[in-house]
Amino acid sequence: NAGVTQTPKFRVLKTGQSMTLLCAQDMNHEYMYWYRQDPGMGLRLIHYSVGEGTTAKGEVPDGYNVSRLKKQNFLLGLESAAPSQTSVYFCASSITGINNYGYTFGSGTRLTVV
Amino acid sequence: GQQLNQSPQSMFIQEGEDVSMNCTSSSIFNTWLWYKQDPGEGPVLLIALYKAGELTSNGRLTAQFGITRKDSFLNISASIPSDVGIYFCAGQTYTNAGGTSYGKLTFGQGTILTVHP
Repeated sequence: NAGVTQTPKFRVLKTGQSMTLLCAQDMNHEYMYWYRQDPGMGLRLIHYSVGEGTTAKGEVPDGYNVSRLKKQNFLLGLESAAPSQTSVYFCASSITGINNYGYTFGSGTRLTVV
Repeated sequence: GQQLNQSPQSMFIQEGEDVSMNCTSSSIFNTWLWYKQDPGEGPVLLIALYKAGELTSNGRLTAQFGITRKDSFLNISASIPSDVGIYFCAGQTYTNAGGTSYGKLTFGQGTILTVHP
């Protein structure tokens, strides 16, 4: 019962480098989300997807891009990493968009940009 | 944008004590959710509340959806060491993305709970 799997778990980047975070879910969920978690700020939505081939901006989308080419995968890209993007990133998925009994979260990716 | 104010920010309690935390907002939410996050893990859903005034229990946990739909509280009775973690409230509102209705979650800042044996 994998649920939501995020890779990698840890990563250190130099300023200006690029990387892609992968999220995979095996629950056939339509909706997927990327959040970042910073101390004292809770979780903030970066981008989300309501289905394969669709993406939308969340609360803090600047500096990030996403793609949902396959229903089970949701990729988060950083084209030119900045120290302000040092954070813990969480992917989540849900069955539907309304009364979805909450989201299922992955275990997170801890990213440090130096 | 919508904001949730969660309090307290942190709590240090003795095993066996009861715990109470709450979230308030100036916005109305359709659903209130409470999550717990263990170190190095993602948040896990504890309780979901769908109606104003609803009081729901899950073992030692009790949560209520405020009558005004702008607040919620979570109580933990007889705390144990494994209750340690970060507790988040989240309010859900319905919005429209590309013609599809979607329940947007807004999270509180979290309450860090430490339980001393």
